Amino acid sequence: QKEVEQNSGPLSVPEGAIASLNCTYSDRGSQSFFWYRQYSGKSPELIMSIYSNGDKEDGRFTAQLNKASQYVSLLIRDSQPSDSATYLCAAHEGNQFYFGTGTSLTVIP
Amino acid sequence: DGGITQSPKYLFRKEGQNVTLSCEQNLNHDAMYWYRQDPGQGLRLIYYSQIVNDFQKGDIAEGYSVSREKKESFPLTVTSAQKNPTAFYLCASMPTRGGGTQYFGPGTRLTVL
Repeated sequence: QKEVEQNSGPLSVPEGAIASLNCTYSDRGSQSFFWYRQYSGKSPELIMSIYSNGDKEDGRFTAQLNKASQYVSLLIRDSQPSDSATYLCAAHEGNQFYFGTGTSLTVIP
Repeated sequence: DGGITQSPKYLFRKEGQNVTLSCEQNLNHDAMYWYRQDPGQGLRLIYYSQIVNDFQKGDIAEGYSVSREKKESFPLTVTSAQKNPTAFYLCASMPTRGGGTQYFGPGTRLTVL
């Protein structure tokens, strides 16, 4: 059974702080990894993808991948109240995506 | 205006009824997927299709059926055999070449009365 695990939270950070979200995956065959943001009652929207070891930065977001440790993380710098949402981690392998249960983030003004 | 559309946004079903959820995409993506999401849970795969006229069961296919007669369309039927269908249903698509990234439609919220 291929698994993607995330801490469900809730994670609370003050506005302007760095939020750190973590994810581990069980299948070493997974080649690419994604972070989605999901607001309550809405569908997931893609915010970051990462394919190789190391860091990938996009604006306030940085994704980190360590394939040896089977670990993916997402850092959100200068957190804003609008970042309050559930963040889903996903691993892509073969024809399927495998999703974690999500981490709930609340940014406190 | 490219994207994935799902209809209806809200759907109410009486027990014993079959209902069909629509999913259409104009992104020219080969692969399409149906997921179910329950409160506080992750996405569970119902069915997926890589090409027209072909589809595979996901982890929770029992009580559901699909068709893929056109590249743009992948409707999901929730049958009366699905005993607990109340959930948020999400359709996604992705290209099968050039790096796979899944994009989601807005979702359909199904409630059994």
